[in-house]
Amino acid sequence: GAGVSQSPSNKVTEKGKDVELRCDPISGHTALYWYRQSLGQGLEFLIYFQGNSAPDKSGLPSDRFSAERTGGSVSTLTIQRTQQEDSAVYLCASSSTGTSVYEQYFGPGTRLTVT
Amino acid sequence: AQRVTQPEKLLSVFKGAPVELKCNYSYSGSPELFWYVQYSRQRLQLLLRHISRESIKGFTADLNKGETSFHLKKPFAQEEDSAMYYCALAGGTSYGKLTFGQGTILTVHP
Repeated sequence: GAGVSQSPSNKVTEKGKDVELRCDPISGHTALYWYRQSLGQGLEFLIYFQGNSAPDKSGLPSDRFSAERTGGSVSTLTIQRTQQEDSAVYLCASSSTGTSVYEQYFGPGTRLTVT
Repeated sequence: AQRVTQPEKLLSVFKGAPVELKCNYSYSGSPELFWYVQYSRQRLQLLLRHISRESIKGFTADLNKGETSFHLKKPFAQEEDSAMYYCALAGGTSYGKLTFGQGTILTVHP
C-alpha cells in the first residue's frame, strides 16, 4: 500500500515569503507528526496530531510556524515570513493506535531552502 | 523533562568490527525506547524497540535502567549498516509522542 507522501519534495523560497508543506499520511493512521531534520539539530519535533484531540504544538519554534490537519487526514505545515534558519528537511510521519502508536512511518521529506 | 542524548555525531568502524552506538536518556517514569535508522536515500524507519527484545539485522539493544542507557550493538558490522541512527524515547504527557536524540552517523569501511 501507499506510504506517507509529502509535497513538494524540494522548495526554494526567498527570505520573507510564506511556504506551505503538505503531508498525506497512511490511510487509517490517526496520529500525524511533523519534524524538522537538520545536520546541527538532529530530528526536532514540531507538532503532533492525534485523532480529534487538540494538537501538541510544543515543538513549534516560533509563531511563524503553524499546522493544520483537515478531516483527520491531510496536514499542511505553514511557515510564514521564512528565515534562512528555517532551511532544513521537514519530515512528516504517521502511526496507528495501540501498541503500534510508536511505530512511526515517515515520508520522504520536503527539503526547504530559504535564500 | 525527558531527554535523549547520543554523544557521538559520527562513528566509523571497519567491516567485521563490533559497533556500539550510545544512547542515554533522562525520564522520571518507566521508559519505552526505540532505535530508528535512515539509510542513504531511504526513509527513516523503525529498527527495533526494547520491549520486543528482538535482534534486527544483527543489532540488539538492552535497556539499562541503572545507567539510563539503551546502547545499540552489533558484533560484526557490515558495510550496509552505514546509516544515520536515532535513539528515541516514548513517554511524558503526550501519548504517542517520541523524543529523538540528535542522531549518530555510522560509517562502516570495507
